[in-house]
Amino acid sequence: EDQVTQSPEALRLQEGESSSLNCSYTVSGLRGLFWYRQDPGKGPEFLFTLYSAGEEKEKERLKATLTKKESFLHITAPKPEDSATYLCAVRSNTGNQFYFGTGTSLTVIP
Amino acid sequence: DTEVTQTPKHLVMGMTNKKSLKCEQHMGHRAMYWYKQKAKKPPELMFVYSYEKLSINESVPSRFSPECPNSSLLNLHLHALQPEDSALYLCASSQPSGTAINSPLHFGNGTRLTVT
Repeated sequence: EDQVTQSPEALRLQEGESSSLNCSYTVSGLRGLFWYRQDPGKGPEFLFTLYSAGEEKEKERLKATLTKKESFLHITAPKPEDSATYLCAVRSNTGNQFYFGTGTSLTVIP
Repeated sequence: DTEVTQTPKHLVMGMTNKKSLKCEQHMGHRAMYWYKQKAKKPPELMFVYSYEKLSINESVPSRFSPECPNSSLLNLHLHALQPEDSALYLCASSQPSGTAINSPLHFGNGTRLTVT
């Protein structure tokens, strides 16, 4: 069964304190692992697509990496504006479904 | 700015009302999705249309009725809803399975629905 687990559920960081969010997955044929950022009351905003083990993508203070079993979202020197919920999703080769993790709520304190 | 547009942004309706949510995408995608999201929970899949045909219905109650008039438009018709149906309703689009590998979902900003 396709499944996605994210940890931690919530994370509080001081501004400038780097950390990582984890997304573990089991999927029958990976057709992509996706990271999203969601602000309260808004739709999820697409950040990254990862497909092959060893792949890395970067955008500003965010860097996403992928292995055969998990993905990490590294946040370097975060700022308060990075505070949001970060969602991970996978797409399998079984069709049009995307499977979401429960998200990590990140708070960056000035 | 999102390329998936949802209207209205907010909707308050009584349990006997009929209303519709609308979604439009200009990304050339041929798969469109309705999700329901409760506070502090991930999006929950309701329906998927692929090439304007309903391909997934996640056992959604019949008081929710989807419609896909063309490849750019998606509607969700609402009738006789319950207070527990209050949530953020999200529309998303993607390329269908079997076409573009790695195609992500692109979401609109949702309709905040309150059922009184």
